Amino acid sequence: KQEVTQIPAALSVPEGENLVLNCSFTDSAIYNLQWFRQDPGKGLTSLLLIQSSQREQTSGRLNASLDKSSGRSTLYIAASQPGDSATYLCAVKRVTGGGNKLTFGTGTQLKVEL
Amino acid sequence: GAGVSQSPSNKVTEKGKDVELRCDPISGHTALYWYRQSLGQGLEFLIYFQGNSAPDKSGLPSDRFSAERTGGSVSTLTIQRTQQEDSAVYLCASSLQGAGGELFFGEGSRLTVL
Repeated sequence: KQEVTQIPAALSVPEGENLVLNCSFTDSAIYNLQWFRQDPGKGLTSLLLIQSSQREQTSGRLNASLDKSSGRSTLYIAASQPGDSATYLCAVKRVTGGGNKLTFGTGTQLKVEL
Repeated sequence: GAGVSQSPSNKVTEKGKDVELRCDPISGHTALYWYRQSLGQGLEFLIYFQGNSAPDKSGLPSDRFSAERTGGSVSTLTIQRTQQEDSAVYLCASSLQGAGGELFFGEGSRLTVL
């Protein structure tokens, strides 16, 4: 059974700091990995999708890397802003045996302070 | 539509009543997913549709839960004889293709069972 862990569970940083969020998964037979953000009381917003054949994806100040063999992904946020405050979730899709569902981590709650 | 639309956004019901939650996916998206997010919990997969068929119903917690999708578009999640433990946010997502596609989520339907 695929298990996804995110560390840390919560993080508070001053504005402008660069930061890294971590995601690990137990079964490396994944199809892809997706990072989301969730604002309080809202749905999930897709940030980046990395296919299993890719090593990283970038969008603006965000960079996500994937090391499938070690079962790890990181989300790097450059020059953090208060508007980045949210819960960040990673999710993996297995190749087989898991249908087409994503398995989610429990998230990292990020607070960027002025 | 521009995004995944869910209704109602909030539903308060009494224990034992039936509820219906609706999801209108992004136009042209063939894959549709239902997830549940309980307070302090991660996202729990419920069911996956590809077109009108549901190849993966493995996450439905009991036979009180059912879902259908008609015309390859709108989906309805029905919960019969609601219990207090059914209280959660029910999130719907859609993707352009089943396996490798990026998932886009709606804002969710918050269900409270009194």
